Amino acid sequence: DQQVKQNSPSLSVQEGRISILNCDYTNSMFDYFLWYKKYPAEGPTFLISISSIKDKNEDGRFTVFLNKSAKHLSLHIVPSQPGDSAVYFCAAGENSGGGADGLTFGKGTHLIIQP
Amino acid sequence: DAGVTQSPTHLIKTRGQQVTLRCSPKSGHDTVSWYQQALGQGPQFIFQYYEEEERQRGNFPDRFSGHQFPNYSSELNVNALLLGDSALYLCASSLGTGDSGNTIYFGEGSWLTVV
Repeated sequence: DQQVKQNSPSLSVQEGRISILNCDYTNSMFDYFLWYKKYPAEGPTFLISISSIKDKNEDGRFTVFLNKSAKHLSLHIVPSQPGDSAVYFCAAGENSGGGADGLTFGKGTHLIIQP
Repeated sequence: DAGVTQSPTHLIKTRGQQVTLRCSPKSGHDTVSWYQQALGQGPQFIFQYYEEEERQRGNFPDRFSGHQFPNYSSELNVNALLLGDSALYLCASSLGTGDSGNTIYFGEGSWLTVV
């Protein structure tokens, strides 16, 4: 039973346009959500996070939107750049008593930015 | 400021053997979590160590064990290796208290191949 789902294995976007990556979840107990970017043969790099009590968080070209009623979040990248080509993972976690619990990850979306 | 460091970066083991992977958390972090990432999948949570004890565990057999040292560094041990244990093993560090959902950082990973 996948609690975090990324239904698009890949996404191709033209350079300069907006990239929108989607993520759905089933566990209403998640306290926060994170997006990671991963290049081949490297560990995931933290991009941006959002608390479950917020509906939007913005950091430069990256914005994450959270729709709790739909159990859906999305990552917007504007404008898309060639260096953004990578696999993007959506992850979710809970705070239980103290500190972050283990994260639950989606399977990832491979974003390809075309010149 | 040192990030999360892992060793070794690559290793090959034979079925039935045992392996030890090592991780040093990011400076200022006291909690270490381990993840297994198989090809084409998202990382899966193995367990988390805080104050030298296993605080949380994912759905992995007892062949997977760990340890955390007083300096917060950690080891992941896998006994009786199976071919299916071939994967990228990721270490993540975070703070053990408070809302640390936005401060979870990963190392580059250790690639384990079981033959």
